[in-house]
Amino acid sequence: AQTVTQSQPEMSVQEAETVTLSCTYDTSESNYYLFWYKQPPSRQMILVIRQEAYKQQNATENRFSVNFQKAAKSFSLKISDSQLGDTAMYFCAFMKDSNYQLIWGAGTKLIIKP
Amino acid sequence: DSGVTQTPKHLITATGQRVTLRCSPRSGDLSVYWYQQSLDQGLQFLIHYYNGEERAKGNILERFSAQQFPDLHSELNLSSLELGDSALYFCASSVASGNEKLFFGSGTQLSVL
Repeated sequence: AQTVTQSQPEMSVQEAETVTLSCTYDTSESNYYLFWYKQPPSRQMILVIRQEAYKQQNATENRFSVNFQKAAKSFSLKISDSQLGDTAMYFCAFMKDSNYQLIWGAGTKLIIKP
Repeated sequence: DSGVTQTPKHLITATGQRVTLRCSPRSGDLSVYWYQQSLDQGLQFLIHYYNGEERAKGNILERFSAQQFPDLHSELNLSSLELGDSALYFCASSVASGNEKLFFGSGTQLSVL
């Protein structure tokens, strides 16, 4: 069975700093997808970034980028020039290629301080 | 706004009761997914429907059932409710049944007293 581990329950950084959230996963699959979702206090679940395992190039979305290390089964999220609006819970999630169910980590609470 | 509508936003009920949660997917989306977010167990996949047919089941209790109607909206029925069923229930939709991006509704917060 697949598992997703986020080892940082909570992090806080100053506005404009760069922060990296960690995620590791366990799978025997070769084809899969990895996601980072953001859940602000409004509770809305918002997709931040998506990575396809067969692509070696790390995904980027504006200030958000990932460091995908397939062999190490690691998928970290880097947020550059952090903003107050980035304050939220961040969830790492895994999806097997043949099965469209997201398997979620426990989440990291990120606080951006002014 | 994701385009996925969930009603009601909040629901308070008593143990033993039955409730129905409703989800309207984004226009054009054929897939609907239900997820449960609880303090004890985090986020868990419950069930997936595609164009009216059940495609996959996750950790969904036998007391829970769901369906997707011809107009593609979906309902999640929770019966014989227990205190532990208190959670935030999310619906998500996607265009097809692959690995497209999922768009989540804002959830229904269920409190069982």
